[in-house]
Amino acid sequence: GAGVSQSPRYKVAKRGQDVALRCDPISGHVSLFWYQQALGQGPEFLTYFQNEAQLDKSGLPSDRFFAERPEGSVSTLKIQRTQQEDSAVYLCASSATGRRTEAFFGQGTRLTVV
Amino acid sequence: GQQLNQSPQSMFIQEGEDVSMNCTSSSIFNTWLWYKQDPGEGPVLLIALYKAGELTSNGRLTAQFGITRKDSFLNISASIPSDVGIYFCAGRMDSNYQLIWGAGTKLIIKP
Repeated sequence: GAGVSQSPRYKVAKRGQDVALRCDPISGHVSLFWYQQALGQGPEFLTYFQNEAQLDKSGLPSDRFFAERPEGSVSTLKIQRTQQEDSAVYLCASSATGRRTEAFFGQGTRLTVV
Repeated sequence: GQQLNQSPQSMFIQEGEDVSMNCTSSSIFNTWLWYKQDPGEGPVLLIALYKAGELTSNGRLTAQFGITRKDSFLNISASIPSDVGIYFCAGRMDSNYQLIWGAGTKLIIKP
């Protein structure tokens, strides 16, 4: 497709379960970002990839969160032993290179931990 | 995490009215962005501002990059029903690719 694609759109997990969220960026986009958006709030930065290199993971809330982009295209955000406070919308964005190149966002994955 | 101060939190307006919202920060930013997010969708970029004092329009939308580099404003003229949604400001420092976001302004248009 032409845009950033995320799957699944909705995920319900039992507390303690592991989940994997997928992001297909726009073809050829070098930069990929993950954001977490709590209900009624703006997105908050989680992590950033340039090609396959994870250059910044300072926003990951705990060591239960792990992201990868092994071939510099598709990315997966994994959350281990989910907790209720992990419930949020997880947004993926990708951008081309260039100083004034802004990112395009996917529709997000809404994760609900019960 | 750090967030920008965005106001108002929500607005109830009549169709055809003009709308103003703003964002302030304690930090200096070199880029200000304005996004719109519809329910169940990701944010969509409306306007990007890269220079202090810059005034940029996109149709009925106009945004300004504050001279102090610590604030930005978005105006929507002659609102229409499809303007309904949540508007977010976001700022970025040159030295960092991370976007810092406001909490959003929810725009509701009274019939």
